[in-house]
Amino acid sequence: EAGVAQSPRYKIIEKRQSVAFWCNPISGHATLYWYQQILGQGPKLLIQFQNNGVVDDSQLPKDRFSAERLKGVDSTLKIQPAKLEDSAVYLCASSLGGISGYTFGSGTRLTVV
Amino acid sequence: AQSVTQPDIHITVSEGASLELRCNYSYGATPYLFWYVQSPGQGLQLLLKYFSGDTLVQGIKGFEAEFKRSQSSFNLRKPSVHWSDAAEYFCAVGGKNTDKLIFGTGTRLQVFP
Repeated sequence: EAGVAQSPRYKIIEKRQSVAFWCNPISGHATLYWYQQILGQGPKLLIQFQNNGVVDDSQLPKDRFSAERLKGVDSTLKIQPAKLEDSAVYLCASSLGGISGYTFGSGTRLTVV
Repeated sequence: AQSVTQPDIHITVSEGASLELRCNYSYGATPYLFWYVQSPGQGLQLLLKYFSGDTLVQGIKGFEAEFKRSQSSFNLRKPSVHWSDAAEYFCAVGGKNTDKLIFGTGTRLQVFP
């Protein structure tokens, strides 16, 4: 089966600019996650979707980050305006349901200068 | 508080040597434990997981891990390391009633020929 697709792979932007990341989960996976992985740290959950509804966005900085999952398939994560501390790898994952079946994408590496 | 501690930031071993990566967790409920591996520029790949039952679990690529409840540990082992095992390794914890994974900060493994 095809894996979790993410684009772009790399992005460099200036602070205060906006950026968007895209994720296409494995077909049939109802649950989609966005994790932020800052250099030297483990991934941290930003937001979790079940179909097109938000399950958990408690760690999402909502003043600048937004995410949506239209039609319960693809998802986009947006940052506006970006700060230097947003430099990280943004990982998308999906699962059929539950904690045991995560599949991660290769991530988008964001550098804010 | 729920957390994962990986005390070794960086480990260097010779090819063919044995390996043990340490992981300690703090979790209020029955933990579900995971080890993931991340090669440069790649997403996270699941090595193995423990939910219940036999405390010694076997994973892919010849890895195994042992759950020790009394020590709140879930150490990863491999009897003979290969050069291709060089990567970053993450321990993670979750629970029965949540999809959220809490990751440690990772251990970078370097393998010398």
